[in-house]
Amino acid sequence: DGGITQSPKYLFRKEGQNVTLSCEQNLNHDAMYWYRQDPGQGLRLIYYSQIVNDFQKGDIAEGYSVSREKKESFPLTVTSAQKNPTAFYLCASSRVDRGFLDTQYFGPGTRLTVL
Amino acid sequence: GNSVTQMEGPVTLSEEAFLTINCTYTATGYPSLFWYVQYPGEGLQLLLKATKADDKGSNKGFEATYRKETTSFHLEKGSVQVSDSAVYFCALTPKAAGNKLTFGGGTRVLVKP
Repeated sequence: DGGITQSPKYLFRKEGQNVTLSCEQNLNHDAMYWYRQDPGQGLRLIYYSQIVNDFQKGDIAEGYSVSREKKESFPLTVTSAQKNPTAFYLCASSRVDRGFLDTQYFGPGTRLTVL
Repeated sequence: GNSVTQMEGPVTLSEEAFLTINCTYTATGYPSLFWYVQYPGEGLQLLLKATKADDKGSNKGFEATYRKETTSFHLEKGSVQVSDSAVYFCALTPKAAGNKLTFGGGTRVLVKP
């Protein structure tokens, strides 16, 4: 089955610790994205990557870091610099069609709780 | 800049009622338009999309028509079921390099038996 997997589904960390969220896709998509969703809110873009070894900041990149060493993988690290990291994190991927980002497909999400 | 405005929820309906969720947008040019659905505790699923004016997207009994003159993409379903209870997001992406997805705030729909 083709799709996007995120692990784990629930993650608990102590304040001050860095934590890395996993995102893998087997859709052969070039572009991948990370979003943050707070309760009752819409989605806000953290980082995105259109090609391996390159990524761009989204609207709320402060306190987060990413890497894109493989086409299938786009891990997100929530650092201790992120002031309010408790949230639901969603990964997405899409084709890149003639330079344009195509329809995005989402993973099941990881709920991060910082204690 | 680009923006999407959705009606605020929650919208509470009885089973078999007619559902409409309004969505209007502001964008340069003619963007592609999307509706995504999020069931409790899950990620977003693409429900339908339209890429040009007058296109109608449809899926699982839901429909939305791309109206350029009113810059709208309202979602409709003729007869809702309890299983349609979810949060619905309208979104757009402009047809331009580096085009990112802009989401509305989401509309929560609750269908009661």
